[in-house]
Amino acid sequence: DGGITQSPKYLFRKEGQNVTLSCEQNLNHDAMYWYRQDPGQGLRLIYYSQIVNDFQKGDIAEGYSVSREKKESFPLTVTSAQKNPTAFYLCASTSWKGALFFGSGTQLSVL
Amino acid sequence: DAKTTQPPSMDCAEGRAANLPCNHSTISGNEYVYWYRQIHSQGPQYIIHGLKNNETNEMASLIITEDRKSSTLILPHATLRDTAVYYCIVRVGPSGNTPLVFGKGTRLSVIA
Repeated sequence: DGGITQSPKYLFRKEGQNVTLSCEQNLNHDAMYWYRQDPGQGLRLIYYSQIVNDFQKGDIAEGYSVSREKKESFPLTVTSAQKNPTAFYLCASTSWKGALFFGSGTQLSVL
Repeated sequence: DAKTTQPPSMDCAEGRAANLPCNHSTISGNEYVYWYRQIHSQGPQYIIHGLKNNETNEMASLIITEDRKSSTLILPHATLRDTAVYYCIVRVGPSGNTPLVFGKGTRLSVIA
């Protein structure tokens, strides 16, 4: 089945450690996005990519990095510079209708 | 993209229609209205979108006022599984790849 796969579902980070969240899609979508969600809050945009080898910062890009080497993949790295990384992270991609399709999310916690 | 205003929460009796309002008074002529919902600890799910005509699909109906400054999402027969946070978003589309901006949405509680 076509869709967006995020892994892992749960991730723990130690102080000073970089961690990478995976996002893969087989929907042949050009654009992909990363959002962060804190408890009781809406989604905030971290980074997005409209095409391979190109990406733009969103509203809260500091402390995060991304790459887009393949159309299907858009991994997010949470660096040690992100001082408050505990959140629910959602990856999405866009269809021709402009509708976003989301993965099931990764819950990141700090040990 | 234009900003939207939604009530923070609503209740609806099971089996009744749930009508979720959204104000978007600064919407421009080329902006669409999108609705998503998010069930706890899951990714948001696309429901429906429209430009100016009313739209209906298997999940819901979207009613947009003639001046396009507000809209209503209608779930015709709400079930307990419709309990979720519902987001109303406006953006240029449908073929654009610019990001959607999510607010806090409306938390709908369907009550047995």
